[in-house]
Amino acid sequence: DSGVTQTPKHLITATGQRVTLRCSPRSGDLSVYWYQQSLDQGLQFLIQYYNGEERAKGNILERFSAQQFPDLHSELNLSSLELGDSALYFCASSDEDFSYDRPSTDTQYFGPGTRLTVL
Amino acid sequence: AQTVTQSQPEMSVQEAETVTLSCTYDTSESNYYLFWYKQPPSRQMILVIRQEAYKQQNATENRFSVNFQKAAKSFSLKISDSQLGDTAMYFCAFMKRKVTSGSRLTFGEGTQLTVNP
Repeated sequence: DSGVTQTPKHLITATGQRVTLRCSPRSGDLSVYWYQQSLDQGLQFLIQYYNGEERAKGNILERFSAQQFPDLHSELNLSSLELGDSALYFCASSDEDFSYDRPSTDTQYFGPGTRLTVL
Repeated sequence: AQTVTQSQPEMSVQEAETVTLSCTYDTSESNYYLFWYKQPPSRQMILVIRQEAYKQQNATENRFSVNFQKAAKSFSLKISDSQLGDTAMYFCAFMKRKVTSGSRLTFGEGTQLTVNP
């Protein structure tokens, strides 16, 4: 068990709909990352949040958005869903510290993922 | 941009034997991390081993060890005494270290390892 939790485990929805994926990081981790794993694109980085602020952005579609809340949990919102959005979405967290006040391993630990199926 | 290449889509090994998975990467960075993650049939992503590029010593975690060749940009994973539970997809990943613009893992395509009884 990595200590990172994700809900729900599975999500089945229709094209055009909107869904929200939720992630709680390991205790003490300030950084949260979202990745998408699909058959044709492999594992791709979507976005990183650090202590409530967006830190890095990858190949995230405009239809997708994320945020990190004061309690450090994060949500990934996917809207106007298309068939091609069907994938496994992972959240990861790390002790990466941009204040450099504490030593860190910068190692990302992954949650169990949310399997999204768009019909 | 960084790229990670795993040239072996599939490999198999007999239980108790040793197997080596290959990974090469391309970067102009000098300060970075390299990782191996495994993804068993449960689809969970599990950290196997971590290497800091500035450390010359190869990382080791029990039966798992790496051969890190910085000049050659090569990072192979050796699994000794293979066990049935090692059957999984193995991903090599690269991450720049301590960048103010944030961090991301760049993954290779993966190598499916099957351990046969």
